[in-house]
Amino acid sequence: EAQVTQNPRYLITVTGKKLTVTCSQNMNHEYMSWYRQDPGLGLRQIYYSMNVEVTDKGDVPEGYKVSRKEKRNFPLILESPSPNQTSLYFCASSFTQAARGYTFGSGTRLTVV
Amino acid sequence: AQSVSQHNHHVILSEAASLELGCNYSYGGTVNLFWYVQYPGQHLQLLLKYFSGDPLVKGIKGFEAEFIKSKFSFNLRKPSVQWSDTAEYFCAVTTNTGNQFYFGTGTSLTVIP
Repeated sequence: EAQVTQNPRYLITVTGKKLTVTCSQNMNHEYMSWYRQDPGLGLRQIYYSMNVEVTDKGDVPEGYKVSRKEKRNFPLILESPSPNQTSLYFCASSFTQAARGYTFGSGTRLTVV
Repeated sequence: AQSVSQHNHHVILSEAASLELGCNYSYGGTVNLFWYVQYPGQHLQLLLKYFSGDPLVKGIKGFEAEFIKSKFSFNLRKPSVQWSDTAEYFCAVTTNTGNQFYFGTGTSLTVIP
């Protein structure tokens, strides 16, 4: 089944403790992206990647890192999480750029205390 | 940067009522337009999309949207809503060459049986 898989689905952590949210897609998509969803703000793009070893900042990249060593994986790294990063995170992918539409992962609800 | 406006933040309808959700975007060039739906606790799923051609687009579950270029609008419609349509709806825009996908802040729809 074609899908974008995120793990974990739920995560509670403490301020400053590094964490990684994984994202993997099995559709051979070139383009992958991370969003955070907050009430009243909709979805805001954190980082995106157009292909292996090619990443770029979205609208809200501060406090996040990403890497794209393989086509299928696009992990989101929070080196030192803070409470304002408590949010619902979605990974998404598409064949080329974002123009043709995304397939979304199921989301990761992160709480930083 | 582009922006996407969804003017209705929260809509409450009775079953069988007709639905129209507004979406306006700010970009003067060629755009690709999307509506996504997010059922409670789930990830975003594509309802319909417009790339070119007939400005009236039909999607899944009886939804349709009309692209009116002169008004920079892409409103979502459904003639008769059901309780199962209760969800959050997001309009999104990107350009043909764009690397970023711009979402509106979402409209929460509640359908009362």
